[in-house]
Amino acid sequence: AQSVAQPEDQVNVAEGNPLTVKCTYSVSGNPYLFWYVQYPNRGLQFLLKYITGDNLVKGSYGFEAEFNKSQTSFHLKKPSALVSDSALYFCAVRDKAAGNKLTFGGGTRVLVKP
Amino acid sequence: NAGVMQNPRHLVRRRGQEARLRCSPMKGHSHVYWYRQLPEEGLKFMVYLQKENIIDESGMPKERFSAEFPKEGPSILRIQQVVRGDSAAYFCASSPWQESDEQFFGPGTRLTVL
Repeated sequence: AQSVAQPEDQVNVAEGNPLTVKCTYSVSGNPYLFWYVQYPNRGLQFLLKYITGDNLVKGSYGFEAEFNKSQTSFHLKKPSALVSDSALYFCAVRDKAAGNKLTFGGGTRVLVKP
Repeated sequence: NAGVMQNPRHLVRRRGQEARLRCSPMKGHSHVYWYRQLPEEGLKFMVYLQKENIIDESGMPKERFSAEFPKEGPSILRIQQVVRGDSAAYFCASSPWQESDEQFFGPGTRLTVL
């Protein structure tokens, strides 16, 4: 069975500082990995994905993520955080062998302070 | 191109009533997924449907819950005899084909059971 872990419930960072949101995963086959962001009372917005190819993936709003197969991680990063980045971030995995469903982590709340 | 539409956005039901949640996928998308988000938790997969077919219902509770995606019209998630534990945000996502990568999420329906 596939699973995703986001070890931090909340990450606090000062505006302008680097932001990292951690994610590790477990799948039986090759993973498809995704990051989504959720603002209050809104749906999920797609940020980026890793399917194959370069381990460093660039996405929307200046975010990027690095796929590390040996550590089974897919951490989300942003070099310089903005107050507007404050939101709930979800990592998700899709194991192609297990069908199309996404398995989500529990989410990490990011608070960027001015 | 309009995004995934869900209605109603908010639904209040008393215990024992029925709840019907509607999802219109993005234009050209024939694959629909339903997820449930309990307060302060991540999203949990419920069901995956194509037009007139249920492909994967491994996340659906065995009783009271049903889903359909008819040839014409929106996908419907139906919850009979609601209980307080059904209170959650229900998100619909769509994708254009089975092997597509991202799922595009709607704004969700927030169900409150009194």
